[in-house]
Amino acid sequence: DAGITQSPRHKVTETGTPVTLRCHQTENHRYMYWYRQDPGHGLRLIHYSYGVKDTDKGEVSDGYSVSRSKTEDFLLTLESATSSQTSVYFCAISEMDRAGYTFGSGTRLTVV
Amino acid sequence: GDSVTQMEGPVTLSEEAFLTINCTYTATGYPSLFWYVQYPGEGLQLLLKATKADDKGSNKGFEATYRKETTSFHLEKGSVQVSDSAVYFCALILPLGGSARQLTFGSGTQLTVLP
Repeated sequence: DAGITQSPRHKVTETGTPVTLRCHQTENHRYMYWYRQDPGHGLRLIHYSYGVKDTDKGEVSDGYSVSRSKTEDFLLTLESATSSQTSVYFCAISEMDRAGYTFGSGTRLTVV
Repeated sequence: GDSVTQMEGPVTLSEEAFLTINCTYTATGYPSLFWYVQYPGEGLQLLLKATKADDKGSNKGFEATYRKETTSFHLEKGSVQVSDSAVYFCALILPLGGSARQLTFGSGTQLTVLP
């Protein structure tokens, strides 16, 4: 996807370990979002950011934290991974209201 | 609360068939409406959008009209191709804090087009 990359693309981790996913953008967009995708649920918002160091919770934020120290990077951390956090995680960016989002290619996380 | 409801899938069609995927929404105020498409192993791509009542979004032969009276935004295509096989998501924009806007998604509809 143009201007947005996620890393890693795949990760397998053990229950109880910390995990950090990275989203990097080159578009200088103000808004960044983390979603998780699970069968039957569509995509659900975990956290979002509306500027450097400005973040807030979405509908499924329990067990997750985020940080945004630079415009281009938005990190999602699972402090102590659980099997219920096995999912595909998508980062998205947007420039302005009602403009729609650009999505990254996703990170498939498996917690065993 | 505000939400999006999509028709259940999966949907299987033959090539050149007519496609309709139903989407209805519940929202306070006047949301913007979107259709996103997800091809296997990829992220979501914006397919089309509409920002106010009676607007018609269109792209790649797909169309959807924002119907405020029926709170609907059904996706249609007159003649599908095998390459249209994907998961389709209906979504609306809601306000969040700090001037951000949240995309709220339906559960997705898997479309398979057979040759």
